[in-house]
Amino acid sequence: SQQGEEDPQALSIQEGENATMNCSYKTSINNLQWYRQNSGRGLVHLILIRSNEREKHSGRLRVTLDTSKKSSSLLITASRAADTASYFCATATSGNTGKLIFGQGTTLQVKP
Amino acid sequence: DVKVTQSSRYLVKRTGEKVFLECVQDMDHENMFWYRQDPGLGLRLIYFSYDVKMKEKGDIPEGYSVSREKKERFSLILESASTNQTSMYLCASRSPSRGYSYGYTFGSGTRLTVV
Repeated sequence: SQQGEEDPQALSIQEGENATMNCSYKTSINNLQWYRQNSGRGLVHLILIRSNEREKHSGRLRVTLDTSKKSSSLLITASRAADTASYFCATATSGNTGKLIFGQGTTLQVKP
Repeated sequence: DVKVTQSSRYLVKRTGEKVFLECVQDMDHENMFWYRQDPGLGLRLIYFSYDVKMKEKGDIPEGYSVSREKKERFSLILESASTNQTSMYLCASRSPSRGYSYGYTFGSGTRLTVV
């Protein structure tokens, strides 16, 4: 079952521009996480935002969470060619199972 | 840093073969997970394990089984491989005792082709 749905599916920008990706989900969550995947590789955890948080920063990353709209956004500022990758949101529901449900991802291309 | 190691990056197997995908993590994580990733479908959870000898079905367990005899190792078994199991398989681990501030750590993936 898909919980997170990312938008857009693909994004192409120039180096130095900001990239914004959105994620919507369906059920109540404990936290929402963003992951990055370089082509053909495993996923790397970027940032986690809890359901009682509204915004979080990590370096050039800014994540917002709106639980009333069941949505989140990931902003990458001053993008670099090395940011080219697929980005996934994943939601964890209440409880301690640790089970994450992933969206289908946004493919970001940053042109030098 | 936690490492999650998947035994093979690429694997080609024949239809009907029994296939073992191995995953080992080195940081004493309690929870381990197997996902498959397909274009247009994202990551789908096959099985997960809370701890040694414990396992739970995910969203798409049909045609798969798992084994967790030791804490560090979580094996995914394709009982009789079929062409529709051609996919990228991703293993991940997590420690709930570290709290919810930490996400999963993923392995590099095994791209399995069944011919």
